Amino acid sequence: GENVEQHPSTLSVQEGDSAVIKCTYSDSASNYFPWYKQELGKRPQLIIDIRSNVGEKKDQRIAVTLNKTAKHFSLHITETQPEDSAVYFCAARGTGTASKLTFGTGTRLQVTL
Amino acid sequence: SAVISQKPSRDICQRGTSLTIQCQVDSQVTMMFWYRQQPGQSLTLIATANQGSEATYESGFVIDKFPISRPNLTFSTLTVSNMSPEDSSIYLCSVERDRVGYTFGSGTRLTVV
Repeated sequence: GENVEQHPSTLSVQEGDSAVIKCTYSDSASNYFPWYKQELGKRPQLIIDIRSNVGEKKDQRIAVTLNKTAKHFSLHITETQPEDSAVYFCAARGTGTASKLTFGTGTRLQVTL
Repeated sequence: SAVISQKPSRDICQRGTSLTIQCQVDSQVTMMFWYRQQPGQSLTLIATANQGSEATYESGFVIDKFPISRPNLTFSTLTVSNMSPEDSSIYLCSVERDRVGYTFGSGTRLTVV
């Protein structure tokens, strides 16, 4: 089955700096890669996603890049703000009838003033 | 995005008992997914629930421990049976919608004492 690795596990940046979180996946047939933000005590919220036919996608301060050859994708947050502090999870959807997501281990992002 | 109502939001249960978690979606979906999120950990898929057929369980999860019902296309239940303290987790249901991606219910925080 699909295996997703995520790094780093914790990340501390100063307000205004950029943050980058990286994930690798094992199933070359995976075709959908979402990113979730989870604040303490809340459900994961989809913040951006990318499909396998696209190399990059941007939404305001957030961008995701995908390298299918290397089987890795990254989340980029620019001009970080304290409210960006949360746990971020990457995920990958493999092929087949289940259409299930496999999640990375998570990155705890702390944005300091 | 899909509106998913999940209940109960939290419960404290005695070991050896069972708890049934309900998930109601505001429109019909083919598959519903049940996840477990242990404290400080990532999301692990328990099973995929299809209407009209038995749920598909992931490695490490069995039907006797986590029976699932899917009586129609908008509703599913997950039961955590014969609970032990190791079952203390957050349990989340999830659905996929075209062009929306995967969204989550608000979660059920289970504590087994």
